[in-house]
Amino acid sequence: DADVTQTPRNRITKTGKRIMLECSQTKGHDRMYWYRQDPGLGLRLIYYSFDVKDINKGEISDGYSVSRQAQAKFSLSLESAIPNQTALYFCATSDLHTGTLTGELFFGEGSRLTVL
Amino acid sequence: AQSVTQLDSHVSVSEGTPVLLRCNYSSSYSPSLFWYVQHPNKGLQLLLKYTSAATLVKGINGFEAEFKKSETSFHLTKPSAHMSDAAEYFCVVSDRDSGGGADGLTFGKGTHLIIQP
Repeated sequence: DADVTQTPRNRITKTGKRIMLECSQTKGHDRMYWYRQDPGLGLRLIYYSFDVKDINKGEISDGYSVSRQAQAKFSLSLESAIPNQTALYFCATSDLHTGTLTGELFFGEGSRLTVL
Repeated sequence: AQSVTQLDSHVSVSEGTPVLLRCNYSSSYSPSLFWYVQHPNKGLQLLLKYTSAATLVKGINGFEAEFKKSETSFHLTKPSAHMSDAAEYFCVVSDRDSGGGADGLTFGKGTHLIIQP
């Protein structure tokens, strides 16, 4: 089983619908992240969380919200999806100590979202 | 502020020939630099990292990169390409002294490596 699991892997929805992408991890890491990948743009940070009570906005948080339900679970919501939110979304984790020193992230396999 | 530029969006090489993926960075502090690889339909995986130790860094699958401060470069190389190397590669910079943490990472736009048989 994967250490970082994202569901769903693929989703097609319509403009205005609410969408939730879920992420769970078995690595025991405190830090979790949501990134968005667009072709030719690399990865951009949406939100990150250092522990259950800590939520921080990233570079492109507008139109998104998150919930850290437990150490192992971090979900991303689009309250009212729009077409320019069509992208590949990645959840990632890092260890409190090694992540700080080395920046190493552990990624899920991605959730491809299409908003029509 | 930090930034990273991957100089080629696509690189095509023949199997068995050398690979060079170019990356330049700018950083106000002492940077950490990384290369991540993304195979089709997969998440990103750390290939190698530079964190102020040896300037020549060896990674997985025969890849290595050299940190050149005078040139602000961190190019990724491999002596002999294999078909399994076909993937997207991302150069990443982190300003450790500005607070560190993976929230301080800046990703390049990626280089698509194509391996010709």
